[in-house]
Amino acid sequence: DAKTTQPNSMESNEEEPVHLPCNHSTISGTDYIHWYRQLPSQGPEYVIHGLTSNVNNRMASLAIAEDRKSSTLILHRATLRDAAVYYCIPLGVSGYALNFGKGTSLLVTP
Amino acid sequence: EAQVTQNPRYLITVTGKKLTVTCSQNMNHEYMSWYRQDPGLGLRQIYYSMNVEVTDKGDVPEGYKVSRKEKRNFPLILESPSPNQTSLYFCASSLAIGGRTYNEQFFGPGTRLTVL
Repeated sequence: DAKTTQPNSMESNEEEPVHLPCNHSTISGTDYIHWYRQLPSQGPEYVIHGLTSNVNNRMASLAIAEDRKSSTLILHRATLRDAAVYYCIPLGVSGYALNFGKGTSLLVTP
Repeated sequence: EAQVTQNPRYLITVTGKKLTVTCSQNMNHEYMSWYRQDPGLGLRQIYYSMNVEVTDKGDVPEGYKVSRKEKRNFPLILESPSPNQTSLYFCASSLAIGGRTYNEQFFGPGTRLTVL
């Protein structure tokens, strides 16, 4: 499994953009980059995933470096509800076991 | 509403008393799995199932059993619980893993188990 490095914690003001970085320099060429998040007292939930191109969905955007050794999850306007632990997870398209690691704890302040 | 449900949500029990944590999904998902979450260790997979009657060990299967007799249910069985199984447990499900399409995994709300 590819190893990931994420900041332990980050802080953002409400309604500001947030950029959550992830380093995955050992990622294989066929691994997708997935992001899940875990809100307090809840199970993890899927956020977004991508392979090479940048991706957008209703929750966030994912910017993937050209060499694929790093990626950034972008929350365009953080809300208090976005306070959670965010996990960056490389995984093959046929993979199944999500290796969550320690993630980044995002604090959003009013 | 599409969801994964777990019961019970909280359980305090004693060493050696067999227990079952149920997991059910209403999305007709083939793949189901169990994770445990511990401080400093994150989420670790216990067992998973690719479909009915197909189960396999994850990273930390010792002390646990599972069964998959129906597509919607995937119970986690602790035959003789011990204090080191005190943890927060999550069930997850998704459409079939594999192929060209990634299928996001849906997680239940969690079961907090304390073994005294």
